[in-house]
Amino acid sequence: QVQLQESGPGLVKPSGTLSLTCAVSGGSISSSKWWSWVRQPPGKGLEWIGEIYHSGSTNQNPSLKSRVNISVDKSKNQFSLKLSSVTAADTAVYYCARYHDFLTGWGFDPWGQGALVTVSS
Amino acid sequence: DIQMTQSPSSLSASVGDRVTITCRASQSISSYLNWYQQKPGKAPKLLIYAASSLQTGVPSRFSGSGSGTDFTLTISSLQPEDFATYYCQQSYSSPRMFGQGTKVEIK
Repeated sequence: QVQLQESGPGLVKPSGTLSLTCAVSGGSISSSKWWSWVRQPPGKGLEWIGEIYHSGSTNQNPSLKSRVNISVDKSKNQFSLKLSSVTAADTAVYYCARYHDFLTGWGFDPWGQGALVTVSS
Repeated sequence: DIQMTQSPSSLSASVGDRVTITCRASQSISSYLNWYQQKPGKAPKLLIYAASSLQTGVPSRFSGSGSGTDFTLTISSLQPEDFATYYCQQSYSSPRMFGQGTKVEIK
């Protein structure tokens, strides 16, 4: 079955750019339509960041849109997140997830294990 | 944006109790509503999609209902492994908004 794994630096300096990659295994990234990023600040709830279609089209949360870039590399079967101009408020566990079409509806399944990114000097 | 509001924010219950969590959307989302379970230090897990469809492998004590703006997640007989935080999420439109979560604690 499809599995996802996040990777990237765990510490980013304020005003810098957060970069994460999600490796997809157990299936082709082209076999599913949408691939997403969700984050969770420590002790808080889930926030959807954005998504990318396997062809490259994207949607972002309007609250983050100007700072978010999501890309896909089909040759490596992975997709990536870049979040610019980060502050301490961007400290969170970042999850990648497949946004799966169940025919009667869509849902995030499966999820990666999550990557903690701390913004600090 | 469609806002999702869960209630209660937390609850205390005993093993064997029937537990109900509600989720309200700020506008009609038909049946495009999902429920997730998250345990500490773990990624969320999809329990129910399309308001009432049980994801493969999820125990039948979990059920979902509702349509339009009001939805319910019910655990018919709470088990020790069910103590967790539960989130609803609308899949009607972008942005894909989550509720604020409901923490189910041991009484």
